[in-house]
Amino acid sequence: EAGVTQFPSHSVIEKGQTVTLRCDPISGHDNLYWYRRVMGKEIKFLLHFVKESKQDESGMPNNRFLAERTGGTYSTLKVQPAELEDSGVYFCASSQGLSGTDTQYFGPGTRLTVL
Amino acid sequence: AQSVTQLDSHVSVSEGTPVLLRCNYSSSYSPSLFWYVQHPNKGLQLLLKYTSAATLVKGINGFEAEFKKSETSFHLTKPSAHMSDAAEYFCVVTKAAGNKLTFGGGTRVLVKP
Repeated sequence: EAGVTQFPSHSVIEKGQTVTLRCDPISGHDNLYWYRRVMGKEIKFLLHFVKESKQDESGMPNNRFLAERTGGTYSTLKVQPAELEDSGVYFCASSQGLSGTDTQYFGPGTRLTVL
Repeated sequence: AQSVTQLDSHVSVSEGTPVLLRCNYSSSYSPSLFWYVQHPNKGLQLLLKYTSAATLVKGINGFEAEFKKSETSFHLTKPSAHMSDAAEYFCVVTKAAGNKLTFGGGTRVLVKP
């Protein structure tokens, strides 16, 4: 069974440009999460999809970030325009259910560098 | 609200000696607790999880953790470190019936030969 995959693995862009990150969850997982780790800080929750619906987007930093999950399969996270403070590692995770016993499986992350 | 504090940002051990990674949590709910590990250039991998069953939880690769409610702790241990244990470890809390994970700051483990 394939795990969670993320693309690209690295992205280097200039301030003001747009970047789109992609996450493919484990097949059959309705729940998809985005997290971010800014250098030197903790990994922070961004948002949670259940199928194609946003269940919780309380962690999204501002309106420069747009997440979508059309069709309830893969998800994209767009940053437009990118700022220096957006640099970090963006992780995607997926899970089958919502209870505390359900494991979230993580992808390898996308390292975003904004110059 | 919930939070996690990992008491050591770096831990250095010799191969074959015990490993102890300390974690304290705060939660308004009955929590679920996890330890994840991240090896260089890899994704986060679940080591073990506590979900209100046995307080001593055994995980993969010889790791175990003990949930102590009175101390609000969930320390991770391994009796004998291996070189392959060099990685960053994250203590994580969530509501028992929740979803979003709250991470500690991470502990980077160095294993010396």
